[in-house]
Amino acid sequence: GAVVSQHPSWVICKSGTSVKIECRSLDFQATTMFWYRQFPKQSLMLMATSNEGSKATYEQGVEKDKFLINHASLTLSTLTVTSAHPEDSSFYICSVLGLAGLRDEQYFGPGTRLTVT
Amino acid sequence: DAKTTQPNSMESNEEEPVHLPCNHSTISGTDYIHWYRQLPSQGPEYVIHGLTSNVNNRMASLAIAEDRKSSTLILHRATLRDAAVYYCILVSGGTSYGKLTFGQGTILTVHP
Repeated sequence: GAVVSQHPSWVICKSGTSVKIECRSLDFQATTMFWYRQFPKQSLMLMATSNEGSKATYEQGVEKDKFLINHASLTLSTLTVTSAHPEDSSFYICSVLGLAGLRDEQYFGPGTRLTVT
Repeated sequence: DAKTTQPNSMESNEEEPVHLPCNHSTISGTDYIHWYRQLPSQGPEYVIHGLTSNVNNRMASLAIAEDRKSSTLILHRATLRDAAVYYCILVSGGTSYGKLTFGQGTILTVHP
């Protein structure tokens, strides 16, 4: 199966600063990637769909100006949390849609733990 | 989006089979049934998926009811490494193409 990496695996930042998280598809070109976040003891919640070469599609309630997504290449999508606050502390996970689309599995990254102090 | 219902938790003993149920009574004809599992502090891991027929892979089996309103993930011999949260998810096309809506899942505890 596909290998998806995320960088960094964890990050601590001060309130008001911005943090960039990278998601890379290591062994195939991914036109569609998804970004999720997961708060402690809760399930994953989809934040946005990232499509290569076009604007991301955000889920209802997710601020697009706060969570900037860039999918500039077929192997890299980035999520930038701008002006981070403690309530943004969460586990951020990306996934890559397989080449066979709905008939295929999704490949998840290992996640990035963000702590905002 | 079609929803799924799973038990909050289940327990098993090591080396025994585990049957994890999932109800999806509002499934549409084109929805795929996917199963993922998540270990603590890790991203989810794909387990298996199917559309209408039962499926087998090296990790598990998926039994799909004839009316597709329910399915069962079968772990043939549970190991301690199978302890995780298991998510049953319907994946559809259209405007929700590929999006995964995670419910609370089933927490599987495996006893040695």
